[in-house]
Amino acid sequence: TQLLEQSPQFLSIQEGENLTVYCNSSSVFSSLQWYRQEPGEGPVLLVTVVTGGEVKKLKRLTFQFGDARKDSSLHITAAQPGDTGLYLCAGSYSGYSTLTFGKGTMLLVSP
Amino acid sequence: DAGVIQSPRHEVTEMGQEVTLRCKPISGHDYLFWYRQTMMRGLELLIYFNNNVPIDDSGMPEDRFSAKMPNASFSTLKIQPSEPRDSAVYFCASGAWGQGTSYEQYFGPGTRLTVT
Repeated sequence: TQLLEQSPQFLSIQEGENLTVYCNSSSVFSSLQWYRQEPGEGPVLLVTVVTGGEVKKLKRLTFQFGDARKDSSLHITAAQPGDTGLYLCAGSYSGYSTLTFGKGTMLLVSP
Repeated sequence: DAGVIQSPRHEVTEMGQEVTLRCKPISGHDYLFWYRQTMMRGLELLIYFNNNVPIDDSGMPEDRFSAKMPNASFSTLKIQPSEPRDSAVYFCASGAWGQGTSYEQYFGPGTRLTVT
């Protein structure tokens, strides 16, 4: 059973386009994290959201945690080739150090 | 800080051989995690340690896999004997408490293992 479902699995767009990827679960998480993994590298933590309804911005990236803390979205404005990579969401439960990872959305941004 | 360090970055070995993967966590982090990543299954947690003590090894696929953490700055993941289905990218991550009650993990660059 996949606790965290990410969609779409793969997204190919042109430079300058906007996009949104989603992370959904039937479980309530105390916090949710987004990672970006570039080819040949390990995942790199982008952001942690902890409050239902919370919105965080990181330059052209906007992250939102659902009100019920079961889902999250990542919106990228004016995508650039440097945004190419695998975007992973990961949920954690209060007081626990382990993370539950989704399988990721592979984003390809072409010049 | 240099981040999490893993070695080797690439390993090619023949079926039946012993493989040892190494990890140096970020100094001061009290948790260390070993993951395996494949296209089919994504990131799978194999085992994790807290203050050098193994806490949960339920993700270790078989007895052929073992992990140790002799001190706070070093851990190994060993596969003996290796099989082709063990081919994957193996990540080590160390962690620290972030904001609120969230726990943040920092990944190494991974070891790409190919067993022929």
